[in-house]
This record gives sequence, structure tokens and C-alpha cells, in this order.
Amino acid sequence: AQSVSQHNHHVILSEAASLELGCNYSYGGTVNLFWYVQYPGQHLQLLLKYFSGDPLVKGIKGFEAEFIKSKFSFNLRKPSVQWSDTAEYFCAVRVADRGSTLGRLYFGRGTQLTVWP
Amino acid sequence: DAGVTQSPTHLIKTRGQHVTLRCSPISGHKSVSWYQQVLGQGPQFIFQYYEKEERGRGNFPDRFSARQFPNYSSELNVNALLLGDSALYLCASSLSGTGGRSQPQHFGDGTRLSIL
Repeated sequence: AQSVSQHNHHVILSEAASLELGCNYSYGGTVNLFWYVQYPGQHLQLLLKYFSGDPLVKGIKGFEAEFIKSKFSFNLRKPSVQWSDTAEYFCAVRVADRGSTLGRLYFGRGTQLTVWP
Repeated sequence: DAGVTQSPTHLIKTRGQHVTLRCSPISGHKSVSWYQQVLGQGPQFIFQYYEKEERGRGNFPDRFSARQFPNYSSELNVNALLLGDSALYLCASSLSGTGGRSQPQHFGDGTRLSIL
């Protein structure tokens, strides 16, 4: 089974601090990569996605992520966080080889981000 | 546009009972996937259905089953409930399940199932 690791379980920052959340996966073939965010009381929302091409992808709300294939990583970054970024962040991987189940995402266990005003 | 809708929102059952959870995908989406999210963990894949056929199954016992209807809505059924089945059950829809590899999944709010 594939695995997705998010090493930071809880991150606490002050507003305007920079953010980087780590995500590593174990699959060696073709993957699609995602970051989802879950604000308190809301459903999972797509922040950004990588399918192919430029390994630096930009998402909503000023977030970006970089795919480094050699490191099996897809870290999420934001230069300056806001109080409203307080949420849980999930990294997810989809195996994209021919014949794979494209409706299957492998999720990390999530990182709770708390931003103090 | 309406997002993915799930019902009920909350459900309390006792051990040994059966439960049916329902999901309506975003209009035009033909693929539905189900996930189980236990507190403190990321969602775990249970099933994917596309065009009314099962296209993938995660590592869950046969007590878990699902189906998809002609209007692409879906039901998740769990028999002989155990305490460990207490979790948030998420439904996600996407435009396609095989081709169209660039389609992301959109999630509903989930059904919170508590087993007493």
C-alpha cells in the first residue's frame, strides 16, 4: 500500500510568519498530488494540485507547493500566514499509472495549523 | 451550484446494527468515492464507483458495501456495526473515474457515525 507522510502534526505560528508543511510519499511511479484544507466546521477543500509540467504550482489564498520527484516530496508553502489560515491541512496522492484506480486518494494524517493574531 | 451533499449529517447506532449513508455528487459528476476518517487520521479510501460499477476497493471488510444509482448518487452500507466503525464518512465526486486524469475530487461535509 502507498503511504503519505506529514511529519508536522501541529504547527503554531504568528501572523505574517512563513509556512512550510512537509509531505512525502512512497510510490515510485506516476502520481498526481494534492493539498486539501479543512477549515473548522467545513468540508475538505482543494488548495492546489499537481498533475504534470511546472513542479511549482500555485493555489488559492497565496499557497504554493513544489514537487521534487527525486525526494518524493510535495511541500506546501505560504510566505505570510494569516489568522484565517488556521485549519487542518491534508496532503493526498493519487497513483496515476495506467490501470490505477483514479478515484482513490492516499491521504496523510494531516497537519493542524494554528495562527495567532 | 450545489456541492456534494451527504445525508444524514449525524447518526448514532449500536453495535450489531446496520447503517446506510447517502451521497449526491455534484451535477455532471459520474464518479463517487467513499472514505472513512477516524479522529486524528487522514481519510482512508473505501470504494470508488463510476458508471454504476465498482472501480476500486480499499482494505475494508465485507461488512462494507456500496452501490451507485442511474442518477450517479450513491449509498454506503455497513452491516454488523462495531465500535471501531465510529468515524466521519466522506463522499467525494469527480467528473470521471478512468479517463480525464486531471479531474480532482470534491468532498462533501460527511456523515458523523457514532457507535454505542
